[in-house]
Amino acid sequence: GQQLNQSPQSMFIQEGEDVSMNCTSSSIFNTWLWYKQDPGEGPVLLIALYKAGELTSNGRLTAQFGITRKDSFLNISASIPSDVGIYFCAGQTGANNLFFGTGTRLTVIP
Amino acid sequence: DAGITQSPRHKVTETGTPVTLRCHQTENHRYMYWYRQDPGHGLRLIHYSYGVKDTDKGEVSDGYSVSRSKTEDFLLTLESATSSQTSVYFCAISQLPGQGPQGTQYFGPGTRLTVL
Repeated sequence: GQQLNQSPQSMFIQEGEDVSMNCTSSSIFNTWLWYKQDPGEGPVLLIALYKAGELTSNGRLTAQFGITRKDSFLNISASIPSDVGIYFCAGQTGANNLFFGTGTRLTVIP
Repeated sequence: DAGITQSPRHKVTETGTPVTLRCHQTENHRYMYWYRQDPGHGLRLIHYSYGVKDTDKGEVSDGYSVSRSKTEDFLLTLESATSSQTSVYFCAISQLPGQGPQGTQYFGPGTRLTVL
């Protein structure tokens, strides 16, 4: 399958700090998605990006679809304790081809 | 939240036994998917369905079969479970395939399966 490289693998930050994570691929995707997963739960969609260059915000979250269509980043501003979890990027190429990164584990220290 | 439930939520079984996991949706979405999640691999697609009785293989389909006799239910069966199938299994749904908001996949809460 497609290989998505997500970094960093884990982050420890102080409450109130901003967070940035990214995802890169050797292949082109038509859609980039960012999900958050809490322990014992399924991934929950945070942001969906459908066009190259698109910059989309959802509250304190901002994500961009790279112009080359091979990368995307997610920023979280002013982190809070409930931001803790694992964040996954996912790239979609066609009808049912959704490929996931290996996740970034975020820990927020109060 | 999308109306997706999975059952059971946890299961422990022995090698060689058959296991069936159920995904149930109340959204009347046409497309349903089964993924497995393993450390270091993210989520990988096992099988998907694009309608009643219409299914196709995903990236890691060996050892798994699926069935969809009703729009709302998608079953994943391990005919003879092996220890390598110990994983967390997620069901997902979408209205349509492909790109765009209607192609976005929404996930259920997962089933943790342990094969001893």
